[in-house]
Amino acid sequence: DAKTTQPNSMESNEEEPVHLPCNHSTISGTDYIHWYRQLPSQGPEYVIHGLTSNVNNRMASLAIAEDRKSSTLILHRATLRDAAVYYCILRPSNSGNTPLVFGKGTRLSVIA
Amino acid sequence: NAGVTQTPKFRILKIGQSMTLQCTQDMNHNYMYWYRQDPGMGLKLIYYSVGAGITDKGEVPNGYNVSRSTTEDFPLRLELAAPSQTSVYFCASFPTGGWGQETQYFGPGTRLLVL
Repeated sequence: DAKTTQPNSMESNEEEPVHLPCNHSTISGTDYIHWYRQLPSQGPEYVIHGLTSNVNNRMASLAIAEDRKSSTLILHRATLRDAAVYYCILRPSNSGNTPLVFGKGTRLSVIA
Repeated sequence: NAGVTQTPKFRILKIGQSMTLQCTQDMNHNYMYWYRQDPGMGLKLIYYSVGAGITDKGEVPNGYNVSRSTTEDFPLRLELAAPSQTSVYFCASFPTGGWGQETQYFGPGTRLLVL
């Protein structure tokens, strides 16, 4: 599976936008870009996913570079509740039953 | 729709004891998985199942067993607990046929301490 690279940690002030980067230079044309997050003492939860176009949902926005070699998860207004580890994961369209592979992710701290 | 539920939430075991971690999902997902997460580390796959009656080993299966008699339930059995099995255990499920767009759903986890 194609690999992703994320910064180990990032910090943000509360109510400011946060841009979480992910590099995936070996992405293939059929790989979907997924983002999950893991709040403290909880299981991972889905945030957003996309293929080529930018995506928005109630939790976040996903900006995908034109060459698809990088993407950015955007939290428009960080809250204390957004403090979590964020994982960027590639999932091929032919994944079948293959489980998600979680790397180390980016630990986001939000300062009040 | 409760999603993925796990019991118990927390358990302390003595070395050599056995226990079963329960996992149930009500989304009719065929694919189910057990992960463990050690403190400050990522998730490691223990076992998975693609449907009732079918299970397979993941990355770290030693010391564990699973069964899948129904679509809903996927219990994880620990035999002869060891301190190295102190961890947080997550159960997860996937729907089929999403062609790369599937969302994986996780349970809240079971914290296990082996002393």
